[in-house]
Amino acid sequence: DVVMTQSPLSLPVTLGQPASISCRSSQSLLYSDGNTYFNWFHQRPGQSPRRLIYKVSNRDSGVPDRFSGSGSGTDFTLRISRVEAEDVGVYYCMQATHWPLTFGGGTKVEI
Amino acid sequence: EVQLVESGGDLVQPGRSLRLSCSASGYTFDDYAVNWVRQAPGKGLEWVGFIRRKAYGGTTQYAASVKGRFTISRDESKDIAYLQMNSLKTEDTAVYYCTRGLSAFDVWGQGTKVTVSS
Repeated sequence: DVVMTQSPLSLPVTLGQPASISCRSSQSLLYSDGNTYFNWFHQRPGQSPRRLIYKVSNRDSGVPDRFSGSGSGTDFTLRISRVEAEDVGVYYCMQATHWPLTFGGGTKVEI
Repeated sequence: EVQLVESGGDLVQPGRSLRLSCSASGYTFDDYAVNWVRQAPGKGLEWVGFIRRKAYGGTTQYAASVKGRFTISRDESKDIAYLQMNSLKTEDTAVYYCTRGLSAFDVWGQGTKVTVSS
């Protein structure tokens, strides 16, 4: 199975300051069709996860442009340019290139 | 509005069965695969299984932890996907979410809670 390793596990942030989360996979996530099936999700307490970024760097509709995704192969990063209060919660990375699909363990972002 | 609504969660004893439903609306159900994901209390997300579109055979894949015990199916006439859970174990206790797409996971339901306990 592809292991997704997120760091840090916990990320104290300051409002208005940048933040970044790393996710590393144990195998390359580049699929034979040329796509990299890697997503980022955000989950607030008591809520369902919400997709933020798909295929590494594509921001979902309605996601603020302070969020950006980058990376390739086995190393990926989610960046928040200026943290806002609503950004607290847990962030998960996920790969859908290899079966079984796997999630990272999560990064808890708190002010 | 595109929406997924899970139902069927309950308190059940170990070894018993339960069927969860995922009702889709606001989009053409036939055009998308459906995944099930679960989250144990205080834990992270775990992929459970997946069913392809009927046009691609409606085939399924499962996580090793549930393979042989859980079965995913879909009913295009009702726009519903099902998760049949047999031989439930205490470690199956979780909130179960359905989500859309083979790799998209772009729409999630609100989740339904399953508690396996004697």
